[in-house]
Amino acid sequence: DAKTTQPPSMDCAEGRAANLPCNHSTISGNEYVYWYRQIHSQGPQYIIHGLKNNETNEMASLIITEDRKSSTLILPHATLRDTAVYYCIVRVAVEWGTYKYIFGTGTRLKVLA
Amino acid sequence: KAGVTQTPRYLIKTRGQQVTLSCSPISGHRSVSWYQQTPGQGLQFLFEYFSETQRNKGNFPGRFSGRQFSNSRSEMNVSTLELGDSALYLCASRSLAGKVHEQFFGPGTRLTVL
Repeated sequence: DAKTTQPPSMDCAEGRAANLPCNHSTISGNEYVYWYRQIHSQGPQYIIHGLKNNETNEMASLIITEDRKSSTLILPHATLRDTAVYYCIVRVAVEWGTYKYIFGTGTRLKVLA
Repeated sequence: KAGVTQTPRYLIKTRGQQVTLSCSPISGHRSVSWYQQTPGQGLQFLFEYFSETQRNKGNFPGRFSGRQFSNSRSEMNVSTLELGDSALYLCASRSLAGKVHEQFFGPGTRLTVL
């Protein structure tokens, strides 16, 4: 099975950029990368997704390496409310056009005042 | 718009019993996916339904099943419960047009198996 690897925890100073890495070295050409975050035990919240190109939205930027083996989620100006567990997820093809989602173990980001 | 709703929020069952969880998607969303979250295994994808058919599935045994109704509401059933099935079960819905990659999660149903 495909696998995503994330550091278990990171700290970031408030107002600074938070850069969260994810390794997905077994991903293949048509498999998407997603990032979600989860605060306490609420349901996860969508942040961003990408396939090959870098992506940016109002929440974050996603940088995907050219070989697609890793990606980095960037929160440009972290606030205390960004303290959460961040999950890197890959959508992998299974068979006959179907797919499944593989979750990383998550990075617990703590934004420090 | 109302968010994804899941019922019940908490459930206690004993080993060997079966359980049915319910999920109502965001209005207009036709896809519903189910996930299991445990401290040991983390978040795992169970399956996805749209147009009343299971379209995608993860690596769970046949004891885990689901269905979707014509109004897109979905139920998940777990038969012959085991202690290891204790988990937070999350449901997520998404649109099949426009922002098709963005899933919206419900608050989850916390199942405890004794």
